[in-house]
Amino acid sequence: QKEVEQDPGPLSVPEGAIVSLNCTYSNSAFQYFMWYRQYSRKGPELLMYTYSSGNKEDGRFTAQVDKSSKYISLFIRDSQPSDSATYLCAMSARNNFNKFYFGSGTKLNVKP
Amino acid sequence: DAGITQSPRHKVTETGTPVTLRCHQTENHRYMYWYRQDPGHGLRLIHYSYGVKDTDKGEVSDGYSVSRSKTEDFLLTLESATSSQTSVYFCAISEMGAEINQPQHFGDGTRLSIL
Repeated sequence: QKEVEQDPGPLSVPEGAIVSLNCTYSNSAFQYFMWYRQYSRKGPELLMYTYSSGNKEDGRFTAQVDKSSKYISLFIRDSQPSDSATYLCAMSARNNFNKFYFGSGTKLNVKP
Repeated sequence: DAGITQSPRHKVTETGTPVTLRCHQTENHRYMYWYRQDPGHGLRLIHYSYGVKDTDKGEVSDGYSVSRSKTEDFLLTLESATSSQTSVYFCAISEMGAEINQPQHFGDGTRLSIL
């Protein structure tokens, strides 16, 4: 069983839709949760970074962590064609600088 | 954007030849990492460094070596390249905060093809 599970998609939505991207994990020691956006032929770009449970909002993006269910989500409001990319979740345990666990990524396509 | 430069950006080489990829950072971060990204496998850690001359293996380190002689540079070497090492290679950097972990930031990758 992988430490982090993420549906690969692809997920196709119309412009303006609310997008929900999700990851589940098995290690209860994870406390740091990240979402990265990766455009084709580019490196992953950090979108959101949260610690422990709760919500964090940044513009059209909201990251949600439910540690009791070992489930994290990224919501994108008013999705745009420029949001079309692969989204990777990542997580790590406290003081474990050498180990970040990545999901395999969900490919999102926002249609104009 | 995090100041991370990977070189070369693209390389095609033949089986059995040595290959060195370079990662250069301007952020003075202590930790540097090499990943490979392949379809169906996501990002897999090859080696990482926690300081000058301090390195350790990741989950897919066989066939790879690394060196870090300066804070800003982290080199990945394929001693004798094989076709299974055809991949996209990413360098990442991070810092350890006083209280909490800091996230990794990535370069734009090196696309390596071994024929």
